[in-house]
Amino acid sequence: QTVVTQEPSFSVSPGGTVTLTCGLSSGSVSTSHYPNWYQQTPGQSPRALIYTTNTRSSGVPDRFSGSILGNKAALTITGAQADDESEYYCVLYMGSGIWVFGGGTKLTVL
Amino acid sequence: EVQLVESGGGLVQPGGSLRLSCAASGFTFSTYWMTWVRQAPGKGLEWVANIKQDGSEKNYVDSVKGRFTISRDNAKNSLYLQMNSLRAEDTAVYYCATHQSRVFQHWGQGTLVTVSS
Repeated sequence: QTVVTQEPSFSVSPGGTVTLTCGLSSGSVSTSHYPNWYQQTPGQSPRALIYTTNTRSSGVPDRFSGSILGNKAALTITGAQADDESEYYCVLYMGSGIWVFGGGTKLTVL
Repeated sequence: EVQLVESGGGLVQPGGSLRLSCAASGFTFSTYWMTWVRQAPGKGLEWVANIKQDGSEKNYVDSVKGRFTISRDNAKNSLYLQMNSLRAEDTAVYYCATHQSRVFQHWGQGTLVTVSS
């Protein structure tokens, strides 16, 4: 069974740049997995940030960007702000209508 | 404005059943795939199931196959999740979400399902 992997935690300084990644326990992530990224703060529903690798959802600031880096999908936050402190989840399409979320990355801005 | 409102959660004993509903408004429900995602307390998101616009295609995560059934009523702008043979590990907040253009764009506030004796 394929597992989607994410860093459990990451920290970034205010104004800094951070790249979170989303990989597979077996194989490489490609655009065919249509990587999505979601932001979730405690007690709130998830919010779509990026889909199909690098398309920003409506209203998402352009300091959030998505890409494929090597064999993983990546979410880069440029100029991190205090309210970017959240949990970030990626999800990948595995084919046959099946999607799998990663375990999430807890981002701290300090 | 898109609104998704889940209901039907609650406390149920292991082996019991529950039916979740998701009332949709603010968009043309019949033209969207829909999905259910759950989140166990303090844990990450887990995709559970999705359903095509006309209900002709349904997909499930392996852990719920044969126990859960996703369905929809386009006339009522509603999505459902029938959950049978519930287990403790099904305890979670269940979210419904629109699923179009390969993104889960709009989410409800979730409904909590607790499976415990």
